[in-house]
Amino acid sequence: NAGVTQTPKFQVLKTGQSMTLQCAQDMNHNSMYWYRQDPGMGLRLIYYSASEGTTDKGEVPNGYNVSRLNKREFSLRLESAAPSQTSVYFCASSEQGTGGYTFGSGTRLTVV
Amino acid sequence: GEDVEQSLFLSVREGDSSVINCTYTDSSSTYLYWYKQEPGAGLQLLTYIFSNMDMKQDQRLTVLLNKKDKHLSLRIADTQTGDSAIYFCAERGSGNTPLVFGKGTRLSVIA
Repeated sequence: NAGVTQTPKFQVLKTGQSMTLQCAQDMNHNSMYWYRQDPGMGLRLIYYSASEGTTDKGEVPNGYNVSRLNKREFSLRLESAAPSQTSVYFCASSEQGTGGYTFGSGTRLTVV
Repeated sequence: GEDVEQSLFLSVREGDSSVINCTYTDSSSTYLYWYKQEPGAGLQLLTYIFSNMDMKQDQRLTVLLNKKDKHLSLRIADTQTGDSAIYFCAERGSGNTPLVFGKGTRLSVIA
């Protein structure tokens, strides 16, 4: 009953460093999503993948890239981290039909 | 783009009912959702309602939908301190478009 697993849970980066946030789901969901959550801004969609092999930009894609590695895994890459990317990042997946999302527990990223 | 609006804060006394309100703009919404986020955790789906319904009840939770006014509410009966959290409203448009979330309402329950 793992649901959506995100790694790492915490990360501190220096400006200019790169890193990849990992996300995996075990519910056989077709669609997966990356959001960032900032105080007063709610959840903002970065990228999503409606199905294996497809990815689309969301509201705030600049500075990020994604890879839908297979049906289970959807990774988010920061090529050159900036302080403005300090945030909590959530991965989610959704089922067909009602389309309710299952969220991971988040990655808290600080860029100094 | 489509928008979902919520008030940011709500404070209630333990044992009272809480009502969290949400408005949305997408006239083609198919499903509407309420999520709960506890401190340091991800969002947890509480309940959802299909757009052709006007009410759904699930134990202490009652969802009311006024499709004409594009207004959604979540009522929590007998609010407990464990209900303190941020509550997000979200709507899904037609097709397989991603959910649009509100900014969340922080519910504080006073003992």
